[in-house]
Amino acid sequence: QQQVKQSPQSLIVQKGGISIINCAYENTAFDYFPWYQQFPGKGPALLIAIRPDVSEKKEGRFTISFNKSAKQFSLHIMDSQPGDSATYFCAASMDPGNQFYFGTGTSLTVIP
Amino acid sequence: DTEVTQTPKHLVMGMTNKKSLKCEQHMGHRAMYWYKQKAKKPPELMFVYSYEKLSINESVPSRFSPECPNSSLLNLHLHALQPEDSALYLCASSQAFYPGAYGYTFGSGTRLTVV
Repeated sequence: QQQVKQSPQSLIVQKGGISIINCAYENTAFDYFPWYQQFPGKGPALLIAIRPDVSEKKEGRFTISFNKSAKQFSLHIMDSQPGDSATYFCAASMDPGNQFYFGTGTSLTVIP
Repeated sequence: DTEVTQTPKHLVMGMTNKKSLKCEQHMGHRAMYWYKQKAKKPPELMFVYSYEKLSINESVPSRFSPECPNSSLLNLHLHALQPEDSALYLCASSQAFYPGAYGYTFGSGTRLTVV
């Protein structure tokens, strides 16, 4: 059973546009929600993360919006650039715990 | 040093070969992990080591054998693999056993091809 559901599977955005990726979860014990960015041939790299006591977190062009009641969170990439083209994974973890539950990934392509 | 270093970066092996993947970190992290990632899929957890002891084995076939010789080093020994084992093998480490507490660092992975 997929603990974290992610959509869309792929996304094409024009340069300068806004990229939005959505995730939903069921387990209310989750208390940490990171987003990972992965380029081909590389390992995932932490992009930004949020905890459920905060509804929004912004770091540069990247923003996480978190809706605890709906059990949903999303990544917004403002002013998307071709260098943002990568696969993005949302994830969730809980304490105590030892692993991340990953979403299925979104392949983002930003066209010039 | 804030990196997890994996070697080799690429490995091609036959189904009768024995090979090992190596992972090293010098961040003082006491939890280390092996993941397997197929193309266009999320990483799948294989093994977790906590304080050099195997704490989780996610029903991984015995042809994969992990080893943690010390707190900085993690190996994955491979023997009699199948072509479907071809994947990107990722190592990760975290400072605490709860990855959300202090973050989680992935290596760049070993691209394994079984022929």
